[in-house]
Amino acid sequence: DSGVTQTPKHLITATGQRVTLRCSPRSGDLSVYWYQQSLDQGLQFLIQYYNGEERAKGNILERFSAQQFPDLHSELNLSSLELGDSALYFCASSVAPSGILGGETQYFGPGTRLLVL
Amino acid sequence: GENVEQHPSTLSVQEGDSAVIKCTYSDSASNYFPWYKQELGKGPQLIIDIRSNVGEKKDQRIAVTLNKTAKHFSLHITETQPEDSAVYFCAASITGGSYIPTFGRGTSLIVHP
Repeated sequence: DSGVTQTPKHLITATGQRVTLRCSPRSGDLSVYWYQQSLDQGLQFLIQYYNGEERAKGNILERFSAQQFPDLHSELNLSSLELGDSALYFCASSVAPSGILGGETQYFGPGTRLLVL
Repeated sequence: GENVEQHPSTLSVQEGDSAVIKCTYSDSASNYFPWYKQELGKGPQLIIDIRSNVGEKKDQRIAVTLNKTAKHFSLHITETQPEDSAVYFCAASITGGSYIPTFGRGTSLIVHP
């Protein structure tokens, strides 16, 4: 158990809908990362937050957004869902984004499996 | 940006054999190389990592080697067991800044009893 929790575990929805995925980082971790994992794309970095602020963006679609709250949990919002958004979505956390030995090691949650029908 | 290539994509071994997974990276500035194991239905779990100031690191049956000159690093698993069956991912990143790792495409390791 990595200490990172994600809810829900599974989500089935229809095209055009909006969903919210939730992540709670390990106790003490300030940084949260979101990844999308699909069969043909591997692990794709979406976005990173550090202590409530957006720190880095990857290949995140404009239909997707995220935020990190004062209690450090994070939510990933996916809107206008398309069939191709079906994937596993992982959250990972680390102590810090960089600069601290070992602070950059990421710990992954169990993921949310999203199926868009 | 960084590009990480991982081989093989699938590796099948008999229990007790050794398994080796290789990764190459493109950015010579990368200095942190973690390996993750992902079991079916679970998230990736860190199993070992290595930094560029070290050439080799061992943890029981698992070892990682790094060749900075050639820009490649490898995961070695000895005395494989059926519970080692999983998908393994390598990654490369630069400590400092945002630290966003680039992941390899994964290797599906199957250990036959």
